[in-house]
Amino acid sequence: QSVLTQPPSVSGAPGQRVTISCTGSSSNIGAGYDVHWYQQLPGTAPKLLIYGNSNRPSGVPDRFSGSKSGTSASLAIAGLQAEDEADYYCQSYDSSLSGYVFGTGTKVTVL
Amino acid sequence: EVQLVESGGGLVQPGGSLKLSCAASGFTFSGSAMHWVRQASGKGLEWVGRIRSKANSYATAYAASVKGRFTISRDDSKNTAYLQMNSLKTEDTAVYYCTRHIVGATTWGAFDIWGQGTMVTVSS
Repeated sequence: QSVLTQPPSVSGAPGQRVTISCTGSSSNIGAGYDVHWYQQLPGTAPKLLIYGNSNRPSGVPDRFSGSKSGTSASLAIAGLQAEDEADYYCQSYDSSLSGYVFGTGTKVTVL
Repeated sequence: EVQLVESGGGLVQPGGSLKLSCAASGFTFSGSAMHWVRQASGKGLEWVGRIRSKANSYATAYAASVKGRFTISRDDSKNTAYLQMNSLKTEDTAVYYCTRHIVGATTWGAFDIWGQGTMVTVSS
């Protein structure tokens, strides 16, 4: 049972901008723990996409951006491309569980 | 090349045991905290547990769902982390990934290198 809630799916046409929300609580995001985002292409391992709320690892296009406010975080994908079709997960730490938690996951579809 | 390669997955009966390995290369393994994450078919990611470095006393932590049944260890001389799974249940069926806690960044709690995963099936 995930403690971080994401919409099951989002979609957009090529070139459009989509956002994915990640809603937590006072024991994880709201407690000040950083939020990280992962992209999982079909049949592959997750890949770190955003770390520390808004930072991109080397090689990640600047079309991907992250933000955090209160008990929530968001991932935005600008200029949507066919290769962005994947599952996306947010992740943080939860002090009540004393462990790391992932979001429920969001499937991005490019129309 | 920075790489993590898992092995040891397979089919095991409920109540049985299995030990997974995670071989690291291309980075200073001994200084890295290593985690295990699993994913049941068609489901989301679930953190399993972690082991810290020698400098942090090889401290381990586990998710409630596996605590008391799973044990994480490491052999820095072999650049390998392990996940010993005992008293396996059908709900432990999943792809198991090993992953590295991020190094060299002004953040905490992210996983920056992932293996390809190894499949564990618990079934009679």
